[in-house]
Amino acid sequence: KNQVEQSPQSLIILEGKNCTLQCNYTVSPFSNLRWYKQDTGRGPVSLTIMTFSENTKSNGRYTATLDADTKQSSLHITASQLSDSASYICVVSDGGSYIPTFGRGTSLIVHP
Amino acid sequence: DTEVTQTPKHLVMGMTNKKSLKCEQHMGHRAMYWYKQKAKKPPELMFVYSYEKLSINESVPSRFSPECPNSSLLNLHLHALQPEDSALYLCASSQVRGNTGELFFGEGSRLTVL
Repeated sequence: KNQVEQSPQSLIILEGKNCTLQCNYTVSPFSNLRWYKQDTGRGPVSLTIMTFSENTKSNGRYTATLDADTKQSSLHITASQLSDSASYICVVSDGGSYIPTFGRGTSLIVHP
Repeated sequence: DTEVTQTPKHLVMGMTNKKSLKCEQHMGHRAMYWYKQKAKKPPELMFVYSYEKLSINESVPSRFSPECPNSSLLNLHLHALQPEDSALYLCASSQVRGNTGELFFGEGSRLTVL
């Protein structure tokens, strides 16, 4: 069964600090991994998409890494801002269907 | 701005009411999805339409009835709902195959059942 595990479940940091969120997956065959940001009560918005051959991808202050051998991904947020407070969801797709597997998300709170 | 538009943004209904949630996309995507999301939980898949035909129903109760009138529109008809059906309902679309499989989500419809 395909699974996506995220850690930590929640994280509180001070504005301006960096943080790293983790995602481990057991999805086979692997197709791609996406990180979404979801503000409370809003729809998820895609931050990065990574395929098997990509190790790192950046989107502004967001940098995602992928290690396909260990089936791990991380999302690094640099110089956090109050607007980064949201849930970050790791979503992994297999090559057999177009139905992705969602992680439970990491809730990030950035304090001033 | 999202390219998937959902209406209404908020809906309050009684258990005997009949209402509908609507979703529209103009990206040429031929796969459309309904997800249900409770607070502090990830989205849960409800239905998938592929080329306007229902391809996946995740054992959703019959009080939820999806409809895909054309390739741009997706509806979710609601009837005789229960208070526990209160949630954020998300519509999403994607290309069917042969690409990254990225889901584009709407802003969601917040449903409250009294």
